Amino acid sequence: AQSVTQPDIHITVSEGASLELRCNYSYGATPYLFWYVQSPGQGLQLLLKYFSGDTLVQGIKGFEAEFKRSQSSFNLRKPSVHWSDAAEYFCAVAPFGNEKLTFGTGTRLTIIP
Amino acid sequence: GAGVSQSPRYKVAKRGQDVALRCDPISGHVSLFWYQQALGQGPEFLTYFQNEAQLDKSGLPSDRFFAERPEGSVSTLKIQRTQQEDSAVYLCASSLGQPNQPQHFGDGTRLSIL
Repeated sequence: AQSVTQPDIHITVSEGASLELRCNYSYGATPYLFWYVQSPGQGLQLLLKYFSGDTLVQGIKGFEAEFKRSQSSFNLRKPSVHWSDAAEYFCAVAPFGNEKLTFGTGTRLTIIP
Repeated sequence: GAGVSQSPRYKVAKRGQDVALRCDPISGHVSLFWYQQALGQGPEFLTYFQNEAQLDKSGLPSDRFFAERPEGSVSTLKIQRTQQEDSAVYLCASSLGQPNQPQHFGDGTRLSIL
């Protein structure tokens, strides 16, 4: 069965600093990979997705993620965070792009001035 | 241009009551998913529809949970004889159903069982 690990439960960064959120997956083949963001009381908004091709994926709000097959990782990065980036971030996988998602437990991001 | 709409946003029920949660997917989206998100956790898959057909219900935790999508659009998740452990946020997502089309989520229904 597929699984997703987000090793960092909570990360605090200063506004303007760079950010990297870790995601590792377990799956027999290369799955479809996603990052979603969830603000309090809201649903999940898709930041970016990886299906195939270029392993560096650009998303919305200045985020990017890199798929590394050898490390079974799909880490999310942003060069300079803004206070509005404070939220919960979820990594997810699916065997195919339109099938059920398996989520990690999430990483809560706090931004300090 | 509406997104996925869920109602009610909040539901409080006494243990043992039945509840019904509604999801209006994005127009034209053939795939519809329900997820359960416990406090401090990631969403967990409950069930999946393609049009009106329920293709996967492997995530439903018990036979008290029932979902339907009779006309291939609006879906209802029903929980009978609610228990405290049913307290969670229930998220609905829809997609076009193509392999390269991601799921779009609603804001969820927060269910609290007293």
